[in-house]
Amino acid sequence: SYVLTQPPSVSVAPGQTARITCGGNSIGRKAVHWYQQRPGQAPVVVIYDDDNRPSGIPERISGSNSGNTATLTITRVEAGDEADYYCQVWDGIGDHVIFGGGTKLTVL
Amino acid sequence: LQLQESGPGLVRPSETLSLTCSVSGDSINSRNYYWAWIRQPPGKGLEWIGNFYYSGSTKYNSSLRSRVAISADTPNNQFSLKLHSLTAADTAVYYCARLFRIASRPYWVDPWGQGTLVTVSS
Repeated sequence: SYVLTQPPSVSVAPGQTARITCGGNSIGRKAVHWYQQRPGQAPVVVIYDDDNRPSGIPERISGSNSGNTATLTITRVEAGDEADYYCQVWDGIGDHVIFGGGTKLTVL
Repeated sequence: LQLQESGPGLVRPSETLSLTCSVSGDSINSRNYYWAWIRQPPGKGLEWIGNFYYSGSTKYNSSLRSRVAISADTPNNQFSLKLHSLTAADTAVYYCARLFRIASRPYWVDPWGQGTLVTVSS
């Protein structure tokens, strides 16, 4: 089955840039979606279809996808960005929705 | 659009979990979406359980396929999850959600219900 690999944690100082990766075999050929989950809350989509932002998501948050790695980039990181982030794809071979293991973003 | 899960918070091992998702602001008869169940064990990541399409077709996570069923109550705009033969490993927050359908494929999940914690314990 298809596997998505994320680093368990990423730490960044306020005002700096955070990059969260999502690795998968030829993931560049798939549509990747990213979710932010704050403690005690349901996930919220922040990027869909590789690099599209839903309304209400700040321009500081962007996505890219190529080769074997998709990346969520958050510039000018703020304390409010501290959360768990998950990537997600659809595995067409197994016909499964797949989530990465999640990355905890800590703002120092 | 809002989704709201309802069901028991505590279920005994070996029993069956039944959850219902009430949808307001959209119709589960829409051909543009799937309607999904996703769970999250305490302190762990997200796991897709399965989804339902208005045509009646369902897809399930292969790790749960032998124990799970998703069905719809179209007149009441609700869909339900049944998970049989529960063990402690099924303890999780269960979310219902709308899954965008593009080119006959599942894409992203939006929105999610608030989630309901189900504990499996005697």
